[in-house]
Amino acid sequence: EVHLVESGGGLVQPGGSLRLSCAASGFTLSDHYIDWVRQAPGKGLEWVGRSRDKVNSYTTEYAASVKGRFTISRDDSKNSLCLQMNSLNTEDTAVYYCIRPARKSGRTYGMDVWGQGTTVTVSS
Amino acid sequence: DIRLTQSPSFLSTSVGDRVTITCRASQGVSNYLAWYQVKPGKAPKLLIYAASTLQSGAPSRFSGSGSGTEFTLTISTLQAEDFATYYCQQFNTFPFTFGQGTKLEIK
Repeated sequence: EVHLVESGGGLVQPGGSLRLSCAASGFTLSDHYIDWVRQAPGKGLEWVGRSRDKVNSYTTEYAASVKGRFTISRDDSKNSLCLQMNSLNTEDTAVYYCIRPARKSGRTYGMDVWGQGTTVTVSS
Repeated sequence: DIRLTQSPSFLSTSVGDRVTITCRASQGVSNYLAWYQVKPGKAPKLLIYAASTLQSGAPSRFSGSGSGTEFTLTISTLQAEDFATYYCQQFNTFPFTFGQGTKLEIK
């Protein structure tokens, strides 16, 4: 069965850094695109970023709100990837999900495999 | 960025009702649109992808339609477990924006 498990969330002070991990089971992560989505308390869903698959050199895309502060990287040996978050501010407080999107013929059609999420709280 | 506007934002409704939620895009997204159900404390669940294709495992009372800039999610006969918040998301252009959500509440 296909699973994604996030870890690494916690409490961090404004200006600090945190590294989230996303571990995959039941499939080879390097063969798939992975997205990150977050949901702030009482707010809606926000797409954060994407890592393409190994064939596409793990190239990335980011939302404007995190570009230059967040970086997605891969560790094929662990079948996992990370979301490095720097210069955190209170607006980054959210539950963060890693997701394997549904893709066909080179296009994304939906986000169908979600992790359980990990909570990041940015507060002094 | 492509803006997705859902209407209504809140809907007070009852078990057995037929519910329709609209998602309007600020520019065309072809059929690269999905719908999700979100319940408190749980990961979102994909219901519809490619605007009108029912995700495997999603109940058949959910259906989607539309293309371009206007889309709808319909729940044919609302069940108790359907009270949740629903979001649309477009995949035509980065960033992959979401609508603001539609919360179904029990009347």
